[in-house]
Amino acid sequence: DAGVTQSPTHLIKTRGQQVTLRCSPISGHKSVSWYQQVLGQGPQFIFQYYEKEERGRGNFPDRFSARQFPNYSSELNVNALLLGDSALYLCASSLQGMGNTEAFFGQGTRLTVV
Amino acid sequence: KQEVTQIPAALSVPEGENLVLNCSFTDSAIYNLQWFRQDPGKGLTSLLLIQSSQREQTSGRLNASLDKSSGRSTLYIAASQPGDSATYLCAVRERGGSNYKLTFGKGTLLTVNP
Repeated sequence: DAGVTQSPTHLIKTRGQQVTLRCSPISGHKSVSWYQQVLGQGPQFIFQYYEKEERGRGNFPDRFSARQFPNYSSELNVNALLLGDSALYLCASSLQGMGNTEAFFGQGTRLTVV
Repeated sequence: KQEVTQIPAALSVPEGENLVLNCSFTDSAIYNLQWFRQDPGKGLTSLLLIQSSQREQTSGRLNASLDKSSGRSTLYIAASQPGDSATYLCAVRERGGSNYKLTFGKGTLLTVNP
């Protein structure tokens, strides 16, 4: 069975540009969450979607947005990129949206803003 | 606000040694705690999930314990191998209004020397 898949694996963008990252959850999982991990830190929560609705949002500016599609895949969009947005972006999939549920992560997308 | 701390930040041991990684959290009202492994520049691999009602979980050479009342978890690795070298992260899922997300520590960087 395929695990959580993210695309692309790496990309380089210029300050001010926009970027879209993609995630496909494990088959049967209805929840997708996004995390940002900067070097030397633990992942920080950005968004959680369950059944195509946003259920949670972390402390990130409005430049960050996301959505979940009917097939439960998800996109994370970041507008007006800043150098500080350079990080590893991780997608997590889980059966339930909240409560006592286990999270499974993808391999991440490494975003470099120059 | 939930805070997760991992000690030590880095650990270097010779091959074959048994070792313990520590994780503490400030709010004991949790659903579960997960231990993850992260190789450099890669995503997170789930190692063990401990439910709040459990005291420990085992998988191969790994054993994780949970003392919810004191806000502590330990990950015990037996007979360490060079292939165990990675960053180990713990994360908790809280009860209450933030149960849609994981809160991570900064991780422990483990190096096992041949």
